[in-house]
Amino acid sequence: DTGVSQNPRHKITKRGQNVTFRCDPISEHNRLYWYRQTLGQGPEFLTYFQNEAQLEKSRLLSDRFSAERPKGSFSTLEIQRTEQGDSAMYLCASSYDRDEAFFGQGTRLTVV
Amino acid sequence: AQTVTQSQPEMSVQEAETVTLSCTYDTSESDYYLFWYKQPPSRQMILVIRQEAYKQQNATENRFSVNFQKAAKSFSLKISDSQLGDAAMYFCVPSFANAGNMLTFGGGTRLMVKP
Repeated sequence: DTGVSQNPRHKITKRGQNVTFRCDPISEHNRLYWYRQTLGQGPEFLTYFQNEAQLEKSRLLSDRFSAERPKGSFSTLEIQRTEQGDSAMYLCASSYDRDEAFFGQGTRLTVV
Repeated sequence: AQTVTQSQPEMSVQEAETVTLSCTYDTSESDYYLFWYKQPPSRQMILVIRQEAYKQQNATENRFSVNFQKAAKSFSLKISDSQLGDAAMYFCVPSFANAGNMLTFGGGTRLMVKP
């Protein structure tokens, strides 16, 4: 098992462009989480999947953000019409039920 | 809504000494999990230790131990024999069932280890 994998590791995009990130969880894990983290802050919850069902979505998340987890395997996080305020590290984590979550290395997004 | 408070934004410890990081939380639940995660400068979050709220015995993992006070809703992390590699951000992270078991992060404590 290679752990949680996130791609790309870094993304630089122009304001107004759309970006998509991918997360491959640990294979037997049924839960998948997305968080956003800015420098010096704790991770902020974005959304959470149990298998393919999106069970929770942060009220802070605007309509420009969408996430999917088709077939309960990998997940994608899309940000439409990016803004400079979207610049952050996007973290993905997976777990089996309530067990400990394993985190990926994150995707660093820079919007210029 | 559940809240998590880490009242120490920064802590410093001399190498080989002991340091305690504090965490308090607010919940009406009785069954939940508590985690401490560490995020070194390379930024990948890793688990340090976990505690199930139904267990009275405090968890221990090598040099890391917790002091879990359920009634006080307190969950502190003790690091013994501190090493330079312990320098990192530490996050107290409860997992509450009525929040869908999503992990609720505290603001973090930056631990510096002096040689």
